[in-house]
Amino acid sequence: DQQVKQNSPSLSVQEGRISILNCDYTNSMFDYFLWYKKYPAEGPTFLISISSIKDKNEDGRFTVFLNKSAKHLSLHIVPSQPGDSAVYFCAAKFQGAQKLVFGQGTRLTINP
Amino acid sequence: DVKVTQSSRYLVKRTGEKVFLECVQDMDHENMFWYRQDPGLGLRLIYFSYDVKMKEKGDIPEGYSVSREKKERFSLILESASTNQTSMYLCASSFMGAPPDTQYFGPGTRLTVL
Repeated sequence: DQQVKQNSPSLSVQEGRISILNCDYTNSMFDYFLWYKKYPAEGPTFLISISSIKDKNEDGRFTVFLNKSAKHLSLHIVPSQPGDSAVYFCAAKFQGAQKLVFGQGTRLTINP
Repeated sequence: DVKVTQSSRYLVKRTGEKVFLECVQDMDHENMFWYRQDPGLGLRLIYFSYDVKMKEKGDIPEGYSVSREKKERFSLILESASTNQTSMYLCASSFMGAPPDTQYFGPGTRLTVL
């Protein structure tokens, strides 16, 4: 049972435009959400996170939005750059737990 | 600078072989994790450890075991490798109680079982 779902396996966006990656979750007990970025032949690296008590967190070109009532979060990248081409994983954590639950990933391709 | 290293980047083994995947971290982290990454399934947790000689099953522990004899080293063992264990294996580590955004990953081991 996939508790964290990324329903779009891939996304293609023009350079300079906004990229929006979506993630849905089923368990309302998650208290922290994260986005990781993964290049081929490298391990995932942390990108941005948000606590369940917030609805928005911003870091430079990256913004994460959380809609608890819809159990939905999204990652906005603006403007998109060629170096943003990677696989993006959404992840969630239960309160007090150390382990993360990951989504399936979305491959983002930024076209010049 | 945190470093998580994995013993091999690529590994090819035969069905039935015993396989050891090694992970070493240099930041004195208490927590260590083993994941596998498969297309369409994302990262799935196999086992994790929060202290030396301690281990807990993740979501898909069947066919795997782990060993943590030293704090810096966490080994994943495939007792009898099978073709459905062909995957990318990722190790990660973090401090106990630290924010989850401080979970650091190694570069991964691409294992092929023939």
